[in-house]
Amino acid sequence: GIQVEQSPPDLILQEGANSTLRCNFSDSVNNLQWFHQNPWGQLINLFYIPSGTKQNGRLSATTVATERYSLLYISSSQTTDSGVYFCAVGETSGSRLTFGEGTQLTVNP
Amino acid sequence: NAGVTQTPKFRILKIGQSMTLQCAQDMNHNYMYWYRQDPGMGLKLIYYSVGAGITDKGEVPNGYNVSRSTTEDFPLRLELAAPSQTSVYFCASSYSRGRGNTIYFGEGSWLTVV
Repeated sequence: GIQVEQSPPDLILQEGANSTLRCNFSDSVNNLQWFHQNPWGQLINLFYIPSGTKQNGRLSATTVATERYSLLYISSSQTTDSGVYFCAVGETSGSRLTFGEGTQLTVNP
Repeated sequence: NAGVTQTPKFRILKIGQSMTLQCAQDMNHNYMYWYRQDPGMGLKLIYYSVGAGITDKGEVPNGYNVSRSTTEDFPLRLELAAPSQTSVYFCASSYSRGRGNTIYFGEGSWLTVV
């Protein structure tokens, strides 16, 4: 099956800093989503972005499908951004999402 | 809309017991999924369904069973619970695959097998 690798595995920031999270995948995809899991375990969909660029407030994401990677940008980070960020991809030939292992983000005040 | 609703939220099982995790969605989604998340790890797909009457195995199906008799409900059955099944279980749903296939998660069910 498709392989999904996220980097870095852990990231510690001071409030106000910017960061870039990366997701590499091993095959063609027709579905790519970024999720935030908050410290209470809740999973929130951030972006549906199989290709192109999207922005939502301080967050933006870019997927370059031909080069098989996606980037999540967090600007002016806040303590509420802490948690785990997951990338999940769906293969062109399949119906299911495969998750990466996540990036644990800690934003300190 | 309630979205995706899972019950129970917490459960402790003894080894060898069986139980069913319930999942319901009210968004008329075709696709439903069950994932498990072990501590510090990503989500692993257990089973999924693309519509009523259709189910398929994911990455880690052993020890579980599912059924999809209606569009709304997708229960996950654990038979003969084992300590290795201690995990957080997430149910999710989406309209279809491809463009616009945003996936929505329930709040999770914390299961401990002792």
